[in-house]
Amino acid sequence: GAGVSQSPSNKVTEKGKDVELRCDPISGHTALYWYRQSLGQGLEFLIYFQGNSAPDKSGLPSDRFSAERTGGSVSTLTIQRTQQEDSAVYLCASSLAGLAGDEQFFGPGTRLTVL
Amino acid sequence: GDSVTQMEGPVTLSEEAFLTINCTYTATGYPSLFWYVQYPGEGLQLLLKATKADDKGSNKGFEATYRKETTSFHLEKGSVQVSDSAVYFCALSDPSNTGKLIFGQGTTLQVKP
Repeated sequence: GAGVSQSPSNKVTEKGKDVELRCDPISGHTALYWYRQSLGQGLEFLIYFQGNSAPDKSGLPSDRFSAERTGGSVSTLTIQRTQQEDSAVYLCASSLAGLAGDEQFFGPGTRLTVL
Repeated sequence: GDSVTQMEGPVTLSEEAFLTINCTYTATGYPSLFWYVQYPGEGLQLLLKATKADDKGSNKGFEATYRKETTSFHLEKGSVQVSDSAVYFCALSDPSNTGKLIFGQGTTLQVKP
């Protein structure tokens, strides 16, 4: 079946612009995660959605970052007023139920470059 | 807070050599432990996992044993192949903390023929 998909695959933007990154999780997966992969910080958790529960936003690095998940499926990560330090690969993952032992399935990522 | 520390790379081995990548963790609860792998040009994928102490995860000839007494989850393979060249990430997921993954910094493995 289809895996996790993300769009766009690459995004180049100018400092100060807003960007939106999209994630389509595996159908039937109730848990959705966003991570960021950068040279300086490695792989770091950003935000987690589980069903209709309030999201865990504890990993968002600043209030310029926000995310939503509509209808329990597609998610959008928005970065406002982008900065050069936001340049990274943004990864989305989904899992069946969001349990600690569940395998997370990762998308191919969106490479964001802020000039 | 929870954290994962894994040996720095890059690790360069000849084909058929024995591989060990060390991983230790710090967690307040009883985490599940994972090894994820990122092959060149591909996305992150699960290699193996263990969800409780003394469990052994295995896949594709790789093994790792959940050692609670040493808070470790070292990755081993008896005979590596060129196709094993990739970046390996050790990670934990604390059941009291939404299932989010805490990753180590990643270890690059290069296997030469």
